[in-house]
Amino acid sequence: DGGITQSPKYLFRKEGQNVTLSCEQNLNHDAMYWYRQDPGQGLRLIYYSQIVNDFQKGDIAEGYSVSREKKESFPLTVTSAQKNPTAFYLCASSIQGGTYGYTFGSGTRLTVV
Amino acid sequence: SQQGEEDPQALSIQEGENATMNCSYKTSINNLQWYRQNSGRGLVHLILIRSNEREKHSGRLRVTLDTSKKSSSLLITASRAADTASYFCATDWERSNYKLTFGKGTLLTVNP
Repeated sequence: DGGITQSPKYLFRKEGQNVTLSCEQNLNHDAMYWYRQDPGQGLRLIYYSQIVNDFQKGDIAEGYSVSREKKESFPLTVTSAQKNPTAFYLCASSIQGGTYGYTFGSGTRLTVV
Repeated sequence: SQQGEEDPQALSIQEGENATMNCSYKTSINNLQWYRQNSGRGLVHLILIRSNEREKHSGRLRVTLDTSKKSSSLLITASRAADTASYFCATDWERSNYKLTFGKGTLLTVNP
């Protein structure tokens, strides 16, 4: 079945540590996105990529980095520069232009310990 | 900010009743989408309405769009306990380069 897979489901980060969240899709979608969701809040865009080897900053990119070396994969690294990383992270994909909606993964819950 | 704003923030109804949620936005859009999120899960795309459309239906869902008022509504008819979730509107606004901007959502609780 086609879909988008995020791993791990839960992740714990120590102070000063970088962690990488995985996002893989087999939908043949060109565009991929990373959103952050805080309790009771909407989604805020971190980074997005509309084509392999290209990505753009979203509204809250500071402290995060991404890569898009393959069409299927769009990993997100939460660096030590991100001072408040505890949140629910959602990855999504869409066809170019997103005119048929996004497909979301099931999310990764990141907690700082 | 182009962020859509849903109203109400929370809604509690009985099974069988209809649920109406509203979304307002600020600038011209290409389309507006509604998503559903069960607690702790990803979002699921429900319906998309384009800027030149006024109403769309999908099963028990009815979405309207009023571009003059920059608002949309989502109606869920004959609600079920399984409809309990958060509902988000998302706007694909002109010059956004196809990125979606999400509101904060409406938490719908359907009581059995």
